[in-house]
Amino acid sequence: QSALTQPASVSGSPGQSVTISCTGTSSDIGSYNYVCWYQHHPGKAPKLMIYEVSNRPSGVPDRFSGSKSGNTASLIISGLQAEDEADYYCSSYTSSDIYVFGTGTKVTVL
Amino acid sequence: QVQLQESGPGLVKPSGTLSLTCAVSDGSISSDYWWSWVRQAPGKGLEWIGEISHSGTTKNIPSLKSRVTMSLDKSKNQFSLKLDSVTAADTAVYFCARGSHFRWHNWGQGALVTVSS
Repeated sequence: QSALTQPASVSGSPGQSVTISCTGTSSDIGSYNYVCWYQHHPGKAPKLMIYEVSNRPSGVPDRFSGSKSGNTASLIISGLQAEDEADYYCSSYTSSDIYVFGTGTKVTVL
Repeated sequence: QVQLQESGPGLVKPSGTLSLTCAVSDGSISSDYWWSWVRQAPGKGLEWIGEISHSGTTKNIPSLKSRVTMSLDKSKNQFSLKLDSVTAADTAVYFCARGSHFRWHNWGQGALVTVSS
């Protein structure tokens, strides 16, 4: 099972929006709505930001949203803030009954 | 809020066995969750290793299947990971996590394990 493909980095100025893509296959993202997004500040525990493609856990700002089309999922961060600077990883359940993470995207706030 | 904390040797010799424990507090490992292990090699992304259910059912990635053993210790409210025949490629920060419904809500801070002689 290969890692899902994400851009290595994206950047934006405070207040702008950025979109992170996560491309898989018909054996993972394309077949299941079990796509999650995690925020990871190095040295800290990863934090669940989005589950089941577009749902936010309580406490996650509504600036974070998710969507999916075909084999590609996306995380949109609107109104970018300094504290959003972190690494972001998508994950998906797969037809092999295991999970796969994305390659990770570093978000930089300019 | 459940807390998870990884512990174990930070240095393992090549061909040896990596052993980590995840202590769970403010929650029971007998609850209907899956208890997972994820690792991050230096400069790399997250990699799901596997998970064990509250009843002891296990799943793991095929590439590590022959080397991985996961177990529960309900008396100590903790779960464990053993990885045999380690090489430098197994050097990573290892996270434990609690999962349900195809997502992980709670994570440990991570434990660095270095494979070196």
